[in-house]
Amino acid sequence: AQSVSQHNHHVILSEAASLELGCNYSYGGTVNLFWYVQYPGQHLQLLLKYFSGDPLVKGIKGFEAEFIKSKFSFNLRKPSVQWSDTAEYFCAVTPFGNEKLTFGTGTRLTIIP
Amino acid sequence: DGGITQSPKYLFRKEGQNVTLSCEQNLNHDAMYWYRQDPGQGLRLIYYSQIVNDFQKGDIAEGYSVSREKKESFPLTVTSAQKNPTAFYLCASTLHSAGNQIPQYFGPGTRLTVL
Repeated sequence: AQSVSQHNHHVILSEAASLELGCNYSYGGTVNLFWYVQYPGQHLQLLLKYFSGDPLVKGIKGFEAEFIKSKFSFNLRKPSVQWSDTAEYFCAVTPFGNEKLTFGTGTRLTIIP
Repeated sequence: DGGITQSPKYLFRKEGQNVTLSCEQNLNHDAMYWYRQDPGQGLRLIYYSQIVNDFQKGDIAEGYSVSREKKESFPLTVTSAQKNPTAFYLCASTLHSAGNQIPQYFGPGTRLTVL
């Protein structure tokens, strides 16, 4: 069974700092990869996704993620964070053709104004 | 507005009682899912359903049951057999696509507390 690791449990940054959240997965075949975000008091929503093609994918609100197949990684990045980026971020993976998403344990991001 | 509704937002029950959580979607999505979210554990899949009158167990189905009598509804019952039912429950849905039914739309969740 596949698994997803998010090693950063809680990240605290100042506004305008750069962000990189790690995500590693364990599965040897073709995968679909996702980042979801849960803002305080709001629904979980899709931030970005990778199915195929360009390994650098761009999502909403200036976020991007890079798929590095050799490292089984899909790290989330943002060059300059804002206070409104305070949220919990979840990485998720599913093998191609599989119906079930496997989520990481999440990273809580706190941005200090 | 299209979306997923879950009710109630907060639910309190006594230990030993069964409780049913509601999930309704008007997105005309084929597949629906139930997840459980616990602090530090991410989301774990309880049950999912790809079509009406059919559903499959997820990773932590023990102590839960579901039904899918209508396309737009996927209620989850937390039974007394569930050892640790206090959690935040999320419902999701997705439009069927060949080989990849990916939950992309989530409801607001129901926080269940068993006293």
